Amino acid sequence: AQSVTQLDSQVPVFEEAPVELRCNYSSSVSVYLFWYVQYPNQGLQLLLKYLSGSTLVKGINGFEAEFNKSQTSFHLRKPSVHISDTAEYFCAVSDPGTASKLTFGTGTRLQVTL
Amino acid sequence: DTGVSQDPRHKITKRGQNVTFRCDPISEHNRLYWYRQTLGQGPEFLTYFQNEAQLEKSRLLSDRFSAERPKGSFSTLEIQRTEQGDSAMYLCASTYGRGEKLFFGSGTQLSVL
Repeated sequence: AQSVTQLDSQVPVFEEAPVELRCNYSSSVSVYLFWYVQYPNQGLQLLLKYLSGSTLVKGINGFEAEFNKSQTSFHLRKPSVHISDTAEYFCAVSDPGTASKLTFGTGTRLQVTL
Repeated sequence: DTGVSQDPRHKITKRGQNVTFRCDPISEHNRLYWYRQTLGQGPEFLTYFQNEAQLEKSRLLSDRFSAERPKGSFSTLEIQRTEQGDSAMYLCASTYGRGEKLFFGSGTQLSVL
């Protein structure tokens, strides 16, 4: 069985500061990895995904994440955050055979302030 | 692309009542998923359809839950004899092809009193 751990439930950060949201997964097989963002009163949106190939993946809104197989991690980073990045961020994992059947972490609330 | 739409946005019901939610996926998407999200948790997989066939159901989906997707278009999720533990946000998502990107609706928030 797969599982995802998001170590921080909340991350406060000042605008224009860098941020890293941590995600660790466990799986006995190869995996696909995803980050989704949920803005208030909106559906989840895909930020980025790792399927194979380069371990550094770039997504929308200036976010990037690095797949580290040895540490079973997929941390999300942004060099300079904006107020509009305030949202809930979910890391998710799936089996490549059933790509859309996701196992989500509990989420990290990113709160950006001036 | 009009997005995935869910109806209603909010539903308040009394324990023991039946409720039904509707999801309209993006028109060309052949796969449709239902997830459930409780406060402080990430979404949990409930079930999914490929066209009109229901291919998998989670163990979370008790016998009181039933989902349909007639003609491979919209889908309904019915909960019979609701319990307070059913209170949650019910999310619908759709995709196509290899399904590496899910498109989510805004969800239906169910409150069971």
